[in-house]
Amino acid sequence: ETGVTQTPRHLVMGMTNKKSLKCEQHLGHNAMYWYKQSAKKPLELMFVYSLEERVENNSVPSRFSPECPNSSHLFLHLHTLQPEDSALYLCASSQGPAVRDTEAFFGQGTRLTVV
Amino acid sequence: KNEVEQSPQNLTAQEGEFITINCSYSVGISALHWLQQHPGGGIVSLFMLSSGKKKHGRLIATINIQEKHSSLHITASHPRDSAVYICAVRFSSGGGADGLTFGKGTHLIIQP
Repeated sequence: ETGVTQTPRHLVMGMTNKKSLKCEQHLGHNAMYWYKQSAKKPLELMFVYSLEERVENNSVPSRFSPECPNSSHLFLHLHTLQPEDSALYLCASSQGPAVRDTEAFFGQGTRLTVV
Repeated sequence: KNEVEQSPQNLTAQEGEFITINCSYSVGISALHWLQQHPGGGIVSLFMLSSGKKKHGRLIATINIQEKHSSLHITASHPRDSAVYICAVRFSSGGGADGLTFGKGTHLIIQP
């Protein structure tokens, strides 16, 4: 148990559906991240939030929409996804980018399948 | 281009063997992480280091800043060590809240 909780663990959705992934941490961290892990590819950074402000959007398509209502919660809203978006989506948190060399804590991930 | 290379990609060994996984990166970094990912997908941070050597139980991580290289060693390997080991670095790219850049991972299988 890393202290970062993601729900759901598995999600199957159609291309016309709208769904949301949730990430929650109560570690007192100020930075939260969304990563995508596709089959046989390295983890790719998608979004970074620091103190609830989005500080990086790594050229992610607009069908992925992040939301960070407070420092403990991070959402990834999904709509009109494509089959190639099927992947493991991982959330992570860290003390904050202002203290850059800090350990990152990862959630268990959401295995997303788009049909 | 900021890159992270790991070797080997796949490694199968017998229980008890000494395991070494390597990680090289292209430019200066502020920190390097070794992560462990089990089949369920969840990732656990094993080490974070910026110089020297760290040890935790049977795991040892070393880094050579001049050579831009790090190694993860597992002594007396056990089947429960079977997992994907991922090297990740934070490049010294200046200001901004960047995340980690990841290697492709090393898929380790320890056979009984």
